[in-house]
Amino acid sequence: EAQVTQNPRYLITVTGKKLTVTCSQNMNHEYMSWYRQDPGLGLRQIYYSMNVEVTDKGDVPEGYKVSRKEKRNFPLILESPSPNQTSLYFCASSADGPEYEQYFGPGTRLTVT
Amino acid sequence: GQNIDQPTEMTATEGAIVQINCTYQTSGFNGLFWYQQHAGEAPTFLSYNVLDGLEEKGRFSSFLSRSKGYSYLLLKELQMKDSASYLCAVNQAGTALIFGKGTTLSVSS
Repeated sequence: EAQVTQNPRYLITVTGKKLTVTCSQNMNHEYMSWYRQDPGLGLRQIYYSMNVEVTDKGDVPEGYKVSRKEKRNFPLILESPSPNQTSLYFCASSADGPEYEQYFGPGTRLTVT
Repeated sequence: GQNIDQPTEMTATEGAIVQINCTYQTSGFNGLFWYQQHAGEAPTFLSYNVLDGLEEKGRFSSFLSRSKGYSYLLLKELQMKDSASYLCAVNQAGTALIFGKGTTLSVSS
């Protein structure tokens, strides 16, 4: 089944404790991205990647890191999480860029206390 | 700068027609998407407009006017299951995707 998977689905952590949210797609997609979704603010793009080893900042990259060492994986790293990073995070992928349909993962609900 | 505006909330009754508007001001416009998102779920693709005009897909249609920076999503024969958030998103410069804040549609019987 073609899909985007994210892990974990739910995470409660404390300020400053490094964490990684994994994202993997099995559709051989070139383009992958991370979003956060907050009430009243909608979906905002954190980082995107056009291809392996090519990543770029979206609208809200501060406090986040990403890497794209393999085509299928695009982990999101929070080196020192803070409470303002409490949010619902979505990973998405598409065939060859943002002009193609985005396939979203199921979401990761992160709470930083 | 970039700005995408949609109404926050709309209500309608089953069987009716509803039009959700989206206006945008972005640099490097390359096309506009509509996504549907049910509460607690991930967004799913509805439509993509690159050229001016109307695209019809079953009960859903989407319209784009590039000169006016305007799009709308038209939902016909509304059903209860259409209660969801509808997200307008602009393909910016072929690299980034910028979303509006979404319109929450409530369909009542």
